[in-house]
Order: sequence, then structure tokens, then C-alpha cells
Amino acid sequence: GQQVMQIPQYQHVQEGEDFTTYCNSSTTLSNIQWYKQRPGGHPVFLIQLVKSGEVKKQKRLTFQFGEAKKNSSLHITATQTTDVGTYFCAPDSGTYKYIFGTGTRLKVLA
Amino acid sequence: DSGVTQTPKHLITATGQRVTLRCSPRSGDLSVYWYQQSLDQGLQFLIQYYNGEERAKGNILERFSAQQFPDLHSELNLSSLELGDSALYFCASSEIAGSGEETQYFGPGTRLLVL
Repeated sequence: GQQVMQIPQYQHVQEGEDFTTYCNSSTTLSNIQWYKQRPGGHPVFLIQLVKSGEVKKQKRLTFQFGEAKKNSSLHITATQTTDVGTYFCAPDSGTYKYIFGTGTRLKVLA
Repeated sequence: DSGVTQTPKHLITATGQRVTLRCSPRSGDLSVYWYQQSLDQGLQFLIQYYNGEERAKGNILERFSAQQFPDLHSELNLSSLELGDSALYFCASSEIAGSGEETQYFGPGTRLLVL
């Protein structure tokens, strides 16, 4: 089925290091959402980006929507062990809805 | 707690069998979505219902079917089960549908193991 690539697939960081995951689409997006899934848990909505070039912050998390609305990034500053999990983007291209990215699994080493 | 409930939490069955997974959306949410997540895999969208009507279809096999009842709960029926159907099945709900901007609230999932 339709998939949206996220890179990297896995990331191990030392606690306190920064982390970034990227979501790339070949088509222009209407909007993009980000979700986090803790190990053994269910996806939890984090944020939605709609406007070109939009940047939103949630404490140590910074979300960005590309100017061309074809890519997005999630950056975590000074990771903590509570940041462990898989981060999914969920882009909406209008044609394909409810397609989730392949996910980036983050492990934080204390 | 998202407010979305799913039963059962775990299900073990044999190949060729049929099972029904149940989902109750958050109070007030009219839209229900079903997703399949295989081991170490991403989320595969199966199907969406809005206020009792099928709204969108994803990669749902013909052996699978779903419906949403007047009280808005939904059931996902999986038949002629195969080993490859073993996965975590999530239900999500949202208040609205169709805009693509709706926030989805996920339930805890049903873990299906087909032996």
C-alpha cells in the first residue's frame, strides 16, 4: 500500500542529545500530523501543521512544515528517557488520507 | 486514557477461523477508523466509518469487513484467518470526518495471534 518514508528508521541517542526525524512526500500535502507511540502503547496525537513553512513548538519538541508542503520534521532538544518511542507522521495529500509514515523509533540511553 | 475502548485486548485463534473485534469511540465522536500494525511495522489504514456509513477504504482485505452501528460502536470482522493476519489492530475515533485535519484518538488495540 501507499507509504510515506520517514528517516531515520531507528535512532539511538544519549540522554541530553538532540534528535530529528524527517517525513518526506512526493506530493504536496494539505496538512500533516505527528503521533507518538510508546513501546507497548497506542499512537497519541502530538500536533498538526497546515501552513507552508509553519513552525510549532511544544516544550522541547519543534515541528516544521516545509515551504513546499512536501516534507516535515520533528526535532527534540535535549532528549530525555521519556521521549522513547516511535514517532509517526501522518500526511494528508488529499488523495491519500490516513496514511501513516513508516515511523522513526527513538531509543534514549541514560 | 484516550476514551476509546477496544475489546478484547488479546485474542488467540487458529488459521481458518473468524473473529470479531469491537471498538467504542469517544463520546461524541462520529468517525471510527481501523488500522493494522504488524510486528515492528507501521500503521496500515484499513477502513473508516462516519455516522454509520463507510467513508474511506484503505488496504483492507476482502476477508475483512467492518460496520458501524447506530450507537456508533464499530466491529471489525476478520475471517478465514491466516498466520499473516497476526497483528495489533487499532481503532481510532474523531469528532468529524472528511477534512483530513481531524485528530484521531486511538484505543489500546487488540492483539491478535493466529496459530
